[in-house]
Amino acid sequence: SAVISQKPSRDICQRGTSLTIQCQVDSQVTMMFWYRQQPGQSLTLIATANQGSEATYESGFVIDKFPISRPNLTFSTLTVSNMSPEDSSIYLCSVYRDSTGELFFGEGSRLTVL
Amino acid sequence: GQSLEQPSEVTAVEGAIVQINCTYQTSGFYGLSWYQQHDGGAPTFLSYNALDGLEETGRFSSFLSRSDSYGYLLLQELQMKDSASYFCAVRSNSGYALNFGKGTSLLVTP
Repeated sequence: SAVISQKPSRDICQRGTSLTIQCQVDSQVTMMFWYRQQPGQSLTLIATANQGSEATYESGFVIDKFPISRPNLTFSTLTVSNMSPEDSSIYLCSVYRDSTGELFFGEGSRLTVL
Repeated sequence: GQSLEQPSEVTAVEGAIVQINCTYQTSGFYGLSWYQQHDGGAPTFLSYNALDGLEETGRFSSFLSRSDSYGYLLLQELQMKDSASYFCAVRSNSGYALNFGKGTSLLVTP
């Protein structure tokens, strides 16, 4: 199974600030996916990050608010910009490791915005 | 667009069998997946059905009927540790990422 490390695991942030979440995978992958899970809710896809190209954002998510970098095949960052309390969520990165279609998730980054 | 419907909560007794249903609407279908998530943990993969029928993995089984746009997850010999949220998911319209249902919270009682 893929090993995915996310940093930070949790943080408490002030309104109006920005936070960058890092995701490191133990092997090269083409696509990395960023999800958001608000308290008690399901997982919502934010964007798909491909190495060497701009991320593809889902409806309701924009690059100015959630800029994503994908500098190589094992690493990606998601920035949550100009945070408000509504951004308090768990942010998860995920990858497909092989052809089975199984999606592996990092442990998530739990953000609380005050 | 896409939609997935599953019950919000299910309660069952330890040792019993429980079935969690999922109906979906999607323009392109690439299979139905199931994930388990314990409180505070990351979602973990349980099963994947691309074709009609039943897939069995230990105490867990998953069923798919493409003609009915319907599937279910069957958990047998329930254990307390099975208390968790269970999500069905289908590939997004792009065919790559997964879109998840709202999740079913399963409570296993003694």
